[in-house]
Amino acid sequence: QIALRESGLTLVKPTQTLTLTCSFSGFSLRASGMGVGWIRQPPGQALEWLALIYGNDDKRYSPSLKTRLTITSDTSENRVILTMANIDPADTGTYFCAHAPRFYNFPIGYYSYFDHWGRGTPVTVSS
Amino acid sequence: ETVLTQFPGTLSLSLGERATLSCRASQSVSSDTLAWYQQKPGQAPRLVIYSSSIRATGIPDRFSGSGSETDFTLTISRLEPEDFAVYYCQQYRGSAYTFGQGTKLEI
Repeated sequence: QIALRESGLTLVKPTQTLTLTCSFSGFSLRASGMGVGWIRQPPGQALEWLALIYGNDDKRYSPSLKTRLTITSDTSENRVILTMANIDPADTGTYFCAHAPRFYNFPIGYYSYFDHWGRGTPVTVSS
Repeated sequence: ETVLTQFPGTLSLSLGERATLSCRASQSVSSDTLAWYQQKPGQAPRLVIYSSSIRATGIPDRFSGSGSETDFTLTISRLEPEDFAVYYCQQYRGSAYTFGQGTKLEI
């Protein structure tokens, strides 16, 4: 049974770096075709994809946030870590991690859906 | 970036009615990469449909998806109380995932 849980500081000051951890069970990033993605949701707004990492260390980032994001994995501990630099009040919201099985399509290449989600962790950016 | 526009923004229907939710892409997307999610207040999203038309595990058969290229539809044939929620479409193209702004399905 796949389960994911997000953790990290809930209150962050502007310009700091936000670090979020996704701890998961029920699958391994060592397994071919597995990935974990991060998605956020500002209060009352739509979902926004941030980043995704596959077990072979293939990483994808949102083009608009790419310069501020870093995603890494710790396969021995079943964790994925997302850092977001230079945090701003506009980054306030709920941050979700999700299981992302990998599929292949020609000519699209590898892609995923988000079929199991954590409950999300709230982040408030304020001085 | 491929923009997904969902309409209507809010859909008001009654129990037992048919709901039709639309998602339009700013450029053609592969139907393999189009998904729909359901989100209830205070909860994480739940995958409903993937590959445009395949129901995710545990999703009842009153949910169906269709469409191709730039126009996709999520249909709920007979609304049950638990179906009232916000629905998001999502796609993958050019190494990036995007979500629509959501359709709120209300009673």
